Amino acid sequence: DIQMTQSPSSLSASEGDRVTVTCRASQDIGNYLAWFQQKPGKAPKSLIYAASKLHSGVPSKFSGSGSGTDFTLTISSLQPEDSATYYCEQYKRYPLTFGGGTKVEI
Amino acid sequence: DVQLVESGGGLVQPGGSLRLSCAASGFTHSDHFIDWVRQAPGKGLEWVGRSRDRAYGFTEEYAASVKGRFTISRHDSSNSIDLQMNSLKTEDTAVYYCIRSPKIFGIYLMDVWGQGTTVTVSS
Repeated sequence: DIQMTQSPSSLSASEGDRVTVTCRASQDIGNYLAWFQQKPGKAPKSLIYAASKLHSGVPSKFSGSGSGTDFTLTISSLQPEDSATYYCEQYKRYPLTFGGGTKVEI
Repeated sequence: DVQLVESGGGLVQPGGSLRLSCAASGFTHSDHFIDWVRQAPGKGLEWVGRSRDRAYGFTEEYAASVKGRFTISRHDSSNSIDLQMNSLKTEDTAVYYCIRSPKIFGIYLMDVWGQGTTVTVSS
């Protein structure tokens, strides 16, 4: 199975900050990577696919980059509504696997 | 609007069975892959299984942790997708989400999530 490792597991930042979350795959997954946002008590929401493409309706302050084994999610100008846990997921091979999550607090 | 609504969760004893249902609206489920993902209390996301679309004969993939115990089935008449869970274990306790996974740029990937339904396996 492909292991997905996120870092950090949690972070605290200030409103207006630029925040970066890292996701590393245990093997080359090309750009078969997605990012999800989950707010407390809510279902996850799809943010990014193909490592860098935003789903419809996702604000442009979210951006993704990377390919192969190393990926990043960047949130520019952090706002209180961005407080959430962020997960990466690889869909290169079965079983589909998620990172452990990064909790972003403001 | 595209929407998925899960139901059927509840309390079940170890070794028991439960059937979850995912009602799809705003799209025809048979034209899309459907995934099930679960989240144990206080834990991260775990992929459970996938049902491919009609073009792929509704074939399935499952995580090793549930293979042989869980089965995904489709119902055209009700535009719904079921997750039949047998031989349940305490470690199956989780919120279960169904997700639409359309083909985007040639690849099937998750986009719209249901709100989830809670399964508790306990004696």
